[in-house]
Amino acid sequence: DQQVKQNSPSLSVQEGRISILNCDYTNSMFDYFLWYKKYPAEGPTFLISISSIKDKNEDGRFTVFLNKSAKHLSLHIVPSQPGDSAVYFCAASALRGAQKLVFGQGTRLTINP
Amino acid sequence: DAGITQSPRHKVTETGTPVTLRCHQTENHRYMYWYRQDPGHGLRLIHYSYGVKDTDKGEVSDGYSVSRSKTEDFLLTLESATSSQTSVYFCAISGLKERGTDTQYFGPGTRLTVL
Repeated sequence: DQQVKQNSPSLSVQEGRISILNCDYTNSMFDYFLWYKKYPAEGPTFLISISSIKDKNEDGRFTVFLNKSAKHLSLHIVPSQPGDSAVYFCAASALRGAQKLVFGQGTRLTINP
Repeated sequence: DAGITQSPRHKVTETGTPVTLRCHQTENHRYMYWYRQDPGHGLRLIHYSYGVKDTDKGEVSDGYSVSRSKTEDFLLTLESATSSQTSVYFCAISGLKERGTDTQYFGPGTRLTVL
């Protein structure tokens, strides 16, 4: 039972354009969401997060949008740069839970020159 | 980068042998976690710790045990390794909640191959 789903295993975007990565969840108890970026042979790196009291959070080129009614979140990267090529994981947790994150399967983003 | 190290970074072992992976942190964070990463599954929580000698099971805990005798060290043990435990293992830590939320920071990973 995949509670967090990233339905696109891969995404290819031209440098300078917008990258949009999507994530869906099924558990209505989730109220905190994170995006991690992962390069090969390294651990995941925290990118940006959002709590359920917000519908948007922005940090530089990265913006996360949360649609609670649709149980959907997305990560926008503008403009996309070659260094953004990596695997991106979304993750979710319940604030009052036991600090346990549930991850999606990941989306491999490739930025083409 | 958060001060998290994992050892060994790579290990090849045979089915049936015991294996212990170590996670060491220098951040004095309360919470520590072990995840495994497999293709098509993302990262899945194995066990976590919310303090010294306080641990609990995660999503895929069968075949694994953990121990935390000091704040800085969290050990993951495979009592009798099986080929299905071939994976990349990540340790993570988290500390004080920020605005009631929790961000986990990950170590570099250990690639384990069970033959």
